[in-house]
Amino acid sequence: AQSVTQLDSQVPVFEEAPVELRCNYSSSVSVYLFWYVQYPNQGLQLLLKYLSGSTLVESINGFEAEFNKSQTSFHLRKPSVHISDTAEYFCAVMNSGGYQKVTFGTGTKLQVIP
Amino acid sequence: GAVVSQHPSRVICKSGTSVKIECRSLDFQATTMFWYRQFPKQSLMLMATSNEGSKATYEQGVEKDKFLINHASLTLSTLTVTSAHPEDSSFYICSARDGGYTFGSGTRLTVV
Repeated sequence: AQSVTQLDSQVPVFEEAPVELRCNYSSSVSVYLFWYVQYPNQGLQLLLKYLSGSTLVESINGFEAEFNKSQTSFHLRKPSVHISDTAEYFCAVMNSGGYQKVTFGTGTKLQVIP
Repeated sequence: GAVVSQHPSRVICKSGTSVKIECRSLDFQATTMFWYRQFPKQSLMLMATSNEGSKATYEQGVEKDKFLINHASLTLSTLTVTSAHPEDSSFYICSARDGGYTFGSGTRLTVV
């Protein structure tokens, strides 16, 4: 079994300030990790993913996440947020072999304050 | 990149009627598609895995006869909510494998 924990349901942050959205997972097997973003009234969009290789992965819009196996974490960070980053962010884990079921966290609403 | 088209984006139906939601992979073939449901303030919950040409695999607690899934071709999977009730009101999202996972834009179902 696998699970994903996003402890923060809402994160308010001022524009241009840094932000970290936390994600911890548990799994008995090796996993792939994802961050998805959901803008209001829209579906999910893949933000970034870790499959293998470098533990630090980046998105095209300035977000980054680091896979930390010892801490079973995949926190999402951005050094300076914009109003347009206001959305809900979901962390997800997928076992890397066999039946590749995806498990999602409960999501974190990022509210950027002007 | 890969695109998954989901239709309709919003639907309002009367209690007791059935609603069909379509999920299409536009530029790739998807032998497997997934259907999720999102309750307010909660995460996505996998409902079922749709396999082209065979029966869908439902997650525990999901009523097979209520949520009918058909995956008749490599580019189309449909989810039919039969005899819908207000408690079925939710956001339904499909996804397809294309190396990673590509999601549709979702369908907001409101049963009145």
